[in-house]
Amino acid sequence: DSGVTQTPKHLITATGQRVTLRCSPRSGDLSVYWYQQSLDQGLQFLIQYYNGEERAKGNILERFSAQQFPDLHSELNLSSLELGDSALYFCASSVDRVSTGELFFGEGSRLTVL
Amino acid sequence: AQKVTQAQTEISVVEKEDVTLDCVYETRDTTYYLFWYKQPPSGELVFLIRRNSFDEQNEISGRYSWNFQKSTSSFNFTITASQVVDSAVYFCALSNQGGKLIFGQGTELSVKP
Repeated sequence: DSGVTQTPKHLITATGQRVTLRCSPRSGDLSVYWYQQSLDQGLQFLIQYYNGEERAKGNILERFSAQQFPDLHSELNLSSLELGDSALYFCASSVDRVSTGELFFGEGSRLTVL
Repeated sequence: AQKVTQAQTEISVVEKEDVTLDCVYETRDTTYYLFWYKQPPSGELVFLIRRNSFDEQNEISGRYSWNFQKSTSSFNFTITASQVVDSAVYFCALSNQGGKLIFGQGTELSVKP
C-alpha cells in the first residue's frame, strides 16, 4: 500500500460526458502528479501540483484540468470525453517539489469511454 | 529532449532463468535520475530503485541487480533465478530536476513455471 488513494477505481461513461478523478496523497507529501497510461501512448505525464500551485505541465489536453486543494488532495477533471480518453489514470505523490526522489503511485482510476 | 527506450516489448522465460531488461536513455542534463518501476497484473506501479547520474555503482538487492553505465547511457535491470511472481510490466524512467518522470514503453516479462 503506497498510501496514495484514488477514487473511483473504475468508471464507465459515454462520449461527451465529464468526469472527475480524485486523489489523496500520502500524508506529508506536498506534490501530486497525474499520469495517463494508454496502450498507444504508454505512461504520459499530465501535470504536477506542489502545495496547491501548478508546478509542471506535460501532455495534458485543454479538455482536461486539475487542481490541488488546501488539504492537498487533487482532482483531475476530464470533459467532452472521447473514446481515446479511455485509459488508466494514475496519481502519484512525493514530498519533494521536484521528482528527484521516489514517487508513490496510487492504484489508478480506469476510465472507459463508450 | 529526454527519452527512454526499452527495446524489448515482451520477454518470456522459464522459472529460475536469469533475465536482463534493457533501458537506454537520452538527456542533455548532467544531473538526472533513473528509476525502475514494476507494474504487476493488479495494475499499481511499484518503485524498485532510483539512481542519480553521479552514482555509477551497480546495486544488488536480493535477486535484483542494476547496471548503470553512463558511457552507453544504459541502466539495465537483471533478475536472477526468476520466479513466477516476477511476471509484470517493468518500466524504466528518467527525471531531471524539472519535476517529471519520463517513462519508457515498458517490457512485459512473463515467467513460466
